Amino acid sequence: DSGVTQTPKHLITATGQRVTLRCSPRSGDLSVYWYQQSLDQGLQFLIQYYNGEERAKGNILERFSAQQFPDLHSELNLSSLELGDSALYFCASSVQWDYGYTFGSGTRLTVV
Amino acid sequence: AQSVTQLGSHVSVSEGALVLLRCNYSSSVPPYLFWYVQYPNQGLQLLLKYTTGATLVKGINGFEAEFKKSETSFHLTKPSAHMSDAAEYFCAVKGGSQGNLIFGKGTKLSVKP
Repeated sequence: DSGVTQTPKHLITATGQRVTLRCSPRSGDLSVYWYQQSLDQGLQFLIQYYNGEERAKGNILERFSAQQFPDLHSELNLSSLELGDSALYFCASSVQWDYGYTFGSGTRLTVV
Repeated sequence: AQSVTQLGSHVSVSEGALVLLRCNYSSSVPPYLFWYVQYPNQGLQLLLKYTTGATLVKGINGFEAEFKKSETSFHLTKPSAHMSDAAEYFCAVKGGSQGNLIFGKGTKLSVKP
């Protein structure tokens, strides 16, 4: 157990739907990062939050949004889902970037 | 912009043989470099990191990597492969000022008995 909790582990949904992925960071970590992992694109950085504030944006689609709540858990919202959104979505947390990240075990999203 | 290139999407070695996984980086500023390992159906786990100081970095499970500025490389090595080392390995570089990491495409390591 890495200390980073992601729920759900698996999600199957239809095109056009909206889903919410949840992440609880390791205790004491203020930064949360979201990544998308797919076979063709590899690991793509989506977005970073630090203590409730958005700090950096990567290749995040406009259909996707995220937030970090006062208790530091984070949610990634994916809407108007397309087949191509099927991927593993990872959350990672860190107390400080140069300590490295701690990753959760991911949410596998399948869009049918 | 920072980036990393991992040479070889798949490397196969025999148990007991040297493991060498290659990573080259591109960075306009002094790079901060990381290696992560991903076992099947799991998240990524930090193996080692180079931020400043000694260029030979030792990590967990007997792995080490050497930062070579002149070659813009950060190759991962292990003297003797174990079956348990079979996994996917990712090289990463610190991207933006906020510390988000940019990952390579990964190298899948297979270990033959």
